[in-house]
Amino acid sequence: KQEVTQIPAALSVPEGENLVLNCSFTDSAIYNLQWFRQDPGKGLTSLLLIQSSQREQTSGRLNASLDKSSGRSTLYIAASQPGDSATYLCAVTSNTGNQFYFGTGTSLTVIP
Amino acid sequence: KAGVTQTPRYLIKTRGQQVTLSCSPISGHRSVSWYQQTPGQGLQFLFEYFSETQRNKGNFPGRFSGRQFSNSRSEMNVSTLELGDSALYLCASSLNPGMNTEAFFGQGTRLTVV
Repeated sequence: KQEVTQIPAALSVPEGENLVLNCSFTDSAIYNLQWFRQDPGKGLTSLLLIQSSQREQTSGRLNASLDKSSGRSTLYIAASQPGDSATYLCAVTSNTGNQFYFGTGTSLTVIP
Repeated sequence: KAGVTQTPRYLIKTRGQQVTLSCSPISGHRSVSWYQQTPGQGLQFLFEYFSETQRNKGNFPGRFSGRQFSNSRSEMNVSTLELGDSALYLCASSLNPGMNTEAFFGQGTRLTVV
């Protein structure tokens, strides 16, 4: 069974700092990997989708990389802002592409 | 374009009752999945529907069921509610399953069982 782990569980940084969130998964037979953010009590907002054939995706200040062979992904956030404070979740889909396996999330606090 | 719409946003039910939650996917999306989120277990997959057919089901008891209509809207039902069913229920829609397409989530339905 696929297991997804996110480290660290919580992170607090001053505004303006660059940071990296880590995600690892046990089964490399994934279809794709998607990063989400979740604000308290809200749904999930999609940040980036990396297909299994890709190695990275970028959107604004966000950059996500994928290394399928080692079962790892990183989400890089440049020049963090207080509005980036949220829980960040990574999720991988099975090789049939019809089920997400979620990590436990990283709770990020950006201090003004 | 409109996002994924889940109704109702909040529900309070009593143990033993049943509840129905609704999810309207993004227009044109035909795949709908349901997830349960709790502080202890995180996000867990319930089931996935495509073209009115359940394609995959997670490890939940038979009290949890769902269906999808011809317009791709989906409902999930939980019968004989237990306190442990209190959770945020999230629905996700995507264009097609297994097509490397991005999934979009709704705001969720917060179910409280008392």
